[in-house]
Amino acid sequence: DTEVTQTPKHLVMGMTNKKSLKCEQHMGHRAMYWYKQKAKKPPELMFVYSYEKLSINESVPSRFSPECPNSSLLNLHLHALQPEDSALYLCASRNLADNEQFFGPGTRLTVL
Amino acid sequence: GNSVTQMEGPVTLSEEAFLTINCTYTATGYPSLFWYVQYPGEGLQLLLKATKADDKGSNKGFEATYRKETTSFHLEKGSVQVSDSAVYFCALSLNDYKLSFGAGTTVTVRA
Repeated sequence: DTEVTQTPKHLVMGMTNKKSLKCEQHMGHRAMYWYKQKAKKPPELMFVYSYEKLSINESVPSRFSPECPNSSLLNLHLHALQPEDSALYLCASRNLADNEQFFGPGTRLTVL
Repeated sequence: GNSVTQMEGPVTLSEEAFLTINCTYTATGYPSLFWYVQYPGEGLQLLLKATKADDKGSNKGFEATYRKETTSFHLEKGSVQVSDSAVYFCALSLNDYKLSFGAGTTVTVRA
């Protein structure tokens, strides 16, 4: 299985809502990532987990809260988002033996 | 720091035309180099990669050669199809968990 899956595919939420994005991989990769991508721009790194521990936080606002419950799962909890947070949120995983990252299909988030 | 510069486009071609997207990089060390492709409404897919100088990555008719002397990793395809319409990202990675992306090049192929 060489796939990273993400749910939901689309999400619309209000600024007072709490929601979560989910990412899963079964490749045995021990590094997992969250990225934010605006239209036709490169992905911007948000968080990196290595061996289920948060290793990089790229100064992301606290309204985004990541969680890595186990080596296969990665969540991104969302609370009190702003309309400018509307974007495609991509999850990726990486085998620590090399530098290749595998990306999921993304969650298209719209904040009203 | 590490950075990637690629031609931004947009690039518009006719079917069966030759495609080149230039990519140059700056890195402290010896990076791995990647081309990712993003089709409309989808996530990123790895198109090809090269891990050391003079390596050639190839996939789906696309090729790129890791040129250390010119710090380049240009993407080429000899005969494009409408289905190649996408955004293409050049990227590099050192062993520091991060990918550094270029700005992306939008390619549109017309029938």
